[in-house]
Amino acid sequence: SQTIHQWPATLVQPVGSPLSLECTVEGTSNPNLYWYRQAAGRGLQLLFYSVGIGQISSEVPQNLSASRPQDRQFILSSKKLLLSDSGFYLCAWRRGGGYNEQFFGPGTRLTVL
Amino acid sequence: KQEVTQIPAALSVPEGENLVLNCSFTDSAIYNLQWFRQDPGKGLTSLLLIQSSQREQTSGRLNASLDKSSGRSTLYIAASQPGDSATYLCACSRTGASYDKVIFGPGTSLSVIP
Repeated sequence: SQTIHQWPATLVQPVGSPLSLECTVEGTSNPNLYWYRQAAGRGLQLLFYSVGIGQISSEVPQNLSASRPQDRQFILSSKKLLLSDSGFYLCAWRRGGGYNEQFFGPGTRLTVL
Repeated sequence: KQEVTQIPAALSVPEGENLVLNCSFTDSAIYNLQWFRQDPGKGLTSLLLIQSSQREQTSGRLNASLDKSSGRSTLYIAASQPGDSATYLCACSRTGASYDKVIFGPGTSLSVIP
């Protein structure tokens, strides 16, 4: 069976500090990978998605970036965090092609002070 | 551009009541529509996936329907229980060049009162 991991679970960072959130998937190969952000009281905002190693599509211009160094690893980064980066970050995967079900990780709660 | 909306934004019902959650999407060219549940502070749990060629899917007390032509999906919950209290989100996957994108609605917050 497939499993998706995210870490850390919670993170408190000062404004201007760097960020690195990691997501890994087990039990499947060549998954599509997604990063979403959920701000307090708001819906899920698609940030990035990737259909393969080194292939990143950015949905929202911002000070965040994503990388996929390995097939089942997806990393969300920032060089300098802003207060507005606070939120709940969710990683998801699904098999390639539009017909397949999407599965989510447990999320990372980021607070920028 | 695909836009997904959900009505109502919040719903409070007494235990045992049957209820319907609504999801609308602007572009009917979708591959599938998926319903999720989210408990506070948690990730999303997949409930039901309806392919574009299907009209409905059922799992236990849950039944989801899809009407592509009108751009609507409903999630029916029978005999609601306090454990059903959560936020319910719908999401759809478009056809075409952006078929790998999944777009979410804002969710419906459900509270089932014992």
